[in-house]
Amino acid sequence: EAQVTQNPRYLITVTGKKLTVTCSQNMNHEYMSWYRQDPGLGLRQIYYSMNVEVTDKGDVPEGYKVSRKEKRNFPLILESPSPNQTSLYFCASREQVWYEQYFGPGTRLTVT
Amino acid sequence: DQQVKQNSPSLSVQEGRISILNCDYTNSMFDYFLWYKKYPAEGPTFLISISSIKDKNEDGRFTVFLNKSAKHLSLHIVPSQPGDSAVYFCAARLSLGGATNKLIFGTGTLLAVQP
Repeated sequence: EAQVTQNPRYLITVTGKKLTVTCSQNMNHEYMSWYRQDPGLGLRQIYYSMNVEVTDKGDVPEGYKVSRKEKRNFPLILESPSPNQTSLYFCASREQVWYEQYFGPGTRLTVT
Repeated sequence: DQQVKQNSPSLSVQEGRISILNCDYTNSMFDYFLWYKKYPAEGPTFLISISSIKDKNEDGRFTVFLNKSAKHLSLHIVPSQPGDSAVYFCAARLSLGGATNKLIFGTGTLLAVQP
């Protein structure tokens, strides 16, 4: 089954404690990205990757890091989380030149 | 600057009636427009798309209309069913050159279909 998986699904943490949200896809897609969804703001892109070892900033990259060492995985790293990073996060993947994007189930992050 | 706008945060419709979800955009360089549907505790899923050179695309109960002069698109669901209750995101694709493109999403509209 074609899918994008994310872990964990729910996470409560404290300010400053480093965390990683994993993302994996099994569709051999070149393009992967991370979004955050906030009330009234819709889905905003944090980072994206066009292929292995190629990453770039999206619209709201501050406070986040990513890496793309393998085609299937695209982890999101918060080195020092802050309360304004409390949000619902989605990983997504698609073929490079197409537009139909496959989303993971989401990670609900709360930073206290 | 919000390039893709969904001005109605929510919409309530009776089962069997038509649901019309609206989306406005500002960038005339968008080449594809898409609608995604999102259920609670799930990621968005692709629903339907339309090329900027078309004015209508139909898929079963779902039809998307594009009015380029007004920079407006709409999603019609006929007839609406309770299972259609979800958040609907409008999105637009912007080509950035070569094989690079970007999807820009609207803020979403919560559709509630009442039985």
